Amino acid sequence: DAGVTQSPTHLIKTRGQQVTLRCSPKSGHDTVSWYQQALGQGPQFIFQYYEEEERQRGNFPDRFSGHQFPNYSSELNVNALLLGDSALYLCASSLRPAGAYSNQPQHFGDGTRLSIL
Amino acid sequence: AQSVTQPDIHITVSEGASLELRCNYSYGATPYLFWYVQSPGQGLQLLLKYFSGDTLVQGIKGFEAEFKRSQSSFNLRKPSVHWSDAAVYVCAVVTNTGNQFYFGTGTSLTVIP
Repeated sequence: DAGVTQSPTHLIKTRGQQVTLRCSPKSGHDTVSWYQQALGQGPQFIFQYYEEEERQRGNFPDRFSGHQFPNYSSELNVNALLLGDSALYLCASSLRPAGAYSNQPQHFGDGTRLSIL
Repeated sequence: AQSVTQPDIHITVSEGASLELRCNYSYGATPYLFWYVQSPGQGLQLLLKYFSGDTLVQGIKGFEAEFKRSQSSFNLRKPSVHWSDAAVYVCAVVTNTGNQFYFGTGTSLTVIP
């Protein structure tokens, strides 16, 4: 049973560039959430996708956008990269939006380490 | 606004000793509570969760946590720590009216032989 897979594992970009990160949810899951984890910090919620729509969004600028495909996989896009965007980006999947409407927990991938030079 | 506080940034314990990691949350009602463990460079693995019912919950790897409403706490415990428990432990809450998770900053655990 494949868990949550993310690609690439590491990525180096320069300021001003654009990046796309990818996530395949755990088999049987239909909801994907994205988190940014800066060094020494806990994960910060970016947004959540369910039924190919953004359902919830954290306090992140519009430079952060996403997409969910019919097969439930998801992409995170970040435009105009800043040095402060350097972080571990985590994807989590669940069956239905996790939390209030489901007692199914989120399963996390190993993340993509993004470094901005 | 909801928030999660883990007061201890780093804890060192001897192998075989008991462990307690603290987690406090700020939310008007009872949230759903989670503990995750994060190994270096990896994502988070769920240790245990509390939704309702018995306030003492058992998780994987011998961990347990107790929800104390009066103290807004959900502390993680283990009676005897193993060297393989060295990792970062992250507490999280999600409100019972939404789907957004709020994470603490994590506690890094070092286990000495």
